[in-house]
Amino acid sequence: AQTVTQSQPEMSVQEAETVTLSCTYDTSESNYYLFWYKQPPSRQMILVIRQEAYKQQNATENRFSVNFQKAAKSFSLKISDSQLGDTAMYFCAFMKGANSKLTFGKGITLSVRP
Amino acid sequence: DTEVTQTPKHLVMGMTNKKSLKCEQHMGHRAMYWYKQKAKKPPELMFVYSYEKLSINESVPSRFSPECPNSSLLNLHLHALQPEDSALYLCASAYRVNWEQYFGPGTRLTVT
Repeated sequence: AQTVTQSQPEMSVQEAETVTLSCTYDTSESNYYLFWYKQPPSRQMILVIRQEAYKQQNATENRFSVNFQKAAKSFSLKISDSQLGDTAMYFCAFMKGANSKLTFGKGITLSVRP
Repeated sequence: DTEVTQTPKHLVMGMTNKKSLKCEQHMGHRAMYWYKQKAKKPPELMFVYSYEKLSINESVPSRFSPECPNSSLLNLHLHALQPEDSALYLCASAYRVNWEQYFGPGTRLTVT
């Protein structure tokens, strides 16, 4: 079975600064996908970024980028130039290649301070 | 456009009521999902539909009954719920079952 661990329950960052959210996972699969989802206070789950395990290049989406370390089974999210609208709960998630089930971490609450 | 819509936004129901939640997408996605989420917790998968057929049922109590009448629509029929079923119910869709999922805004359900 796959597990996803987000060990930091809360983080805080000053507006315009950079913050990194940690995620580790455990799997014996070679083909899988990793995701970061954002859930602001409105509770709409928003896909932030996706990474395919077979791709060595780290995914980026504007101010969001990941550091994917396959051997270490680590998948951290870096948010650059933090904005107030980034305040949300962030979930790291794993999906096995041939399976539709998302395994979520417990989430981390990020607060961006003005 | 990556929009999944859900109605109603809020629902309060008694334990003897029958109600339904509705989810709709027009992105041509053929995989649709129901999740239950408690506050400050990750979503828990309930059901997965692939090409309008139920492919995963995560041992959900029979008081929850999913239905996928067509490729754009997903319903969740509720009957004889318990107060512990109060939660945010999220619908999601994906192009296919192993693609990224896009979530709707959810229905906040309160069972009294």
